[in-house]
Amino acid sequence: SAVISQKPSRDICQRGTSLTIQCQVDSQVTMMFWYRQQPGQSLTLIATANQGSEATYESGFVIDKFPISRPNLTFSTLTVSNMSPEDSSIYLCSVEDGGRSTEAFFGQGTRLTVV
Amino acid sequence: LAKTTQPISMDSYEGQEVNITCSHNNIATNDYITWYQQFPSQGPRFIIQGYKTKVTNEVASLFIPADRKSSTLSLPRVSLSDTAVYYCLVGDAGYSTLTFGKGTMLLVSP
Repeated sequence: SAVISQKPSRDICQRGTSLTIQCQVDSQVTMMFWYRQQPGQSLTLIATANQGSEATYESGFVIDKFPISRPNLTFSTLTVSNMSPEDSSIYLCSVEDGGRSTEAFFGQGTRLTVV
Repeated sequence: LAKTTQPISMDSYEGQEVNITCSHNNIATNDYITWYQQFPSQGPRFIIQGYKTKVTNEVASLFIPADRKSSTLSLPRVSLSDTAVYYCLVGDAGYSTLTFGKGTMLLVSP
């Protein structure tokens, strides 16, 4: 299993500003994932972050809006840039089991409100 | 990844057995079936995974018929703390990204 810590747990931000969310894992993992969960909705994958390479973004998400860093095997950041109220969501960091199962582990999430 | 269909919501009472069924008609040969639970203000948590027949752990059972086009998550004797959203996911055991459907909101009442 993996224990994931996300910071901050919540924030209220002004539109036009940027927020960087941190994700720390208690073990080394190859791949880390960032999801968005809009109010009352399911989770949507934003991007996959591998250490030492550019993140891979899903359709509808771009690097300029959601830059991601992956400096080592236990840490990643997601920045939400030039925020608007539509960016108000829960952002979740996730890592995979690394084995043959599809068990994934999630952080508690960062609840972002843009005003 | 195979698309899944679940009921939007279910209601139950404490102590009852709850069965949530998920349809995945286009499941592929290499696909596994995985269920996650999400409480408010928390990330999803793995519950159980199976390929065929029946799988049981300390939390739940997963029933998969021979054609694997559906699966049923069974929660024995639910309590108020089982109130959560339950997601059914289908995919190859080797895949890394998860595709979440809308999930089933289970409300357990006293």
